Amino acid sequence: GAVVSQHPSRVICKSGTSVKIECRSLDFQATTMFWYRQFPKQSLMLMATSNEGSKATYEQGVEKDKFLINHASLTLSTLTVTSAHPEDSSFYICSAREGQGSVWAPLHFGNGTRLTVT
Amino acid sequence: QKEVEQNSGPLSVPEGAIASLNCTYSDRGSQSFFWYRQYSGKSPELIMSIYSNGDKEDGRFTAQLNKASQYVSLLIRDSQPSDSATYLCAVNGRDDKIIFGKGTRLHILP
Repeated sequence: GAVVSQHPSRVICKSGTSVKIECRSLDFQATTMFWYRQFPKQSLMLMATSNEGSKATYEQGVEKDKFLINHASLTLSTLTVTSAHPEDSSFYICSAREGQGSVWAPLHFGNGTRLTVT
Repeated sequence: QKEVEQNSGPLSVPEGAIASLNCTYSDRGSQSFFWYRQYSGKSPELIMSIYSNGDKEDGRFTAQLNKASQYVSLLIRDSQPSDSATYLCAVNGRDDKIIFGKGTRLHILP
């Protein structure tokens, strides 16, 4: 089955610093990857859609200058949380679809990154 | 109207019984439907996909789809304590994005 690898699994950083999270599709190519955020006991919230070779598409209310997304290859997307604040502490999860983004294909998720900003 | 609706639960089911999880969606144009399981502190994992009206069975899991009623459900037979988790219903929406419900918390009682 499709495997999505996400790194790091946990990160603690100080306020004002930046954190980069990597998401890789290991056994398939993903022209599109999706970044979600989940606060405790809340639902998954789509932050942005990462498109290989072009700009990411951000959901309403998500600051593109704060959450920088780069999708440099068909197997790698990165999310950088810039100038992190304690309220950015959350569970960040990436996902990708097999089949070049076919509407029929399910999302496969990485293991998530638990970010704590102190 | 929310796009994908689920009862948040918790739904408590005795071990060995059938757990029934329900989901409704608003976009009649949706063509792909998915059930995910999420354990606390973990990311979602895909349980089943369903695309056509009717039932689809995979082991102890059965997904049911009724497009006319805009309704999709998941049945878990012979429920086990390890089935205790949050179950997320997901539907493909506009722009081919997958829209998630808020999830139903399921507790299997030993």
